[in-house]
Amino acid sequence: DARVTQTPRDKVTEMGQEVTMRCQPILGHNTVFWYRQTMMQGLELLAYFRNRAPLDDSGMPKDRFSAEMPDATLATLKIQPSEPRDSAVYFCASGTADTQYFGPGTRLTVL
Amino acid sequence: AQSVTQLDSHVSVSEGTPVLLRCNYSSSYSPSLFWYVQHPNKGLQLLLKYTSAATLVKGINGFEAEFKKSETSFHLTKPSAHMSDAAEYFCVVSGDHDYKLSFGAGTTVTVRA
Repeated sequence: DARVTQTPRDKVTEMGQEVTMRCQPILGHNTVFWYRQTMMQGLELLAYFRNRAPLDDSGMPKDRFSAEMPDATLATLKIQPSEPRDSAVYFCASGTADTQYFGPGTRLTVL
Repeated sequence: AQSVTQLDSHVSVSEGTPVLLRCNYSSSYSPSLFWYVQHPNKGLQLLLKYTSAATLVKGINGFEAEFKKSETSFHLTKPSAHMSDAAEYFCVVSGDHDYKLSFGAGTTVTVRA
């Protein structure tokens, strides 16, 4: 049963620290999405890739967030420096065509 | 641009009774529509999807949804609720060319014993 995996599942850090979240998409999927979920804003699309190329990152704060796909089995989302307002659950999803499958998420707490 | 509106923020049902979650969509083309479920502290799980093949779509765990173009609706139903159905449900529409998803605000389902 193929699944999207994300690490770490939980991360607590202090303001100003760098945070890196990782995602392993389902093998064979050519699109990867990063979302952020908060109680106030719900689910927000941060960035997405197709065939490892970034297609849209307009949802990300450009000055501190970056997303990459160094290879087809790994997507990363980095925050530097982190701020308390970045506290949220970050989901990765992968898919083919229009159907996306979500990972379990990384719960980030920035103190 | 496409969007969805979930008409109920919270639905409470008794175990064994039917569940109805309402969703209206707005789209300038023939959309792909989805229902996802999110249990507490879990990721989103795909329940079912509509992609113009059949208007009545059957999903996992006994859920189904009916696409009604005339009403621009995609309501989710289940004949008999189970305690394990307590979760948040999202109605979602896919973008036309870019596969970006637009999420509804979510409906929280509570199941009473």
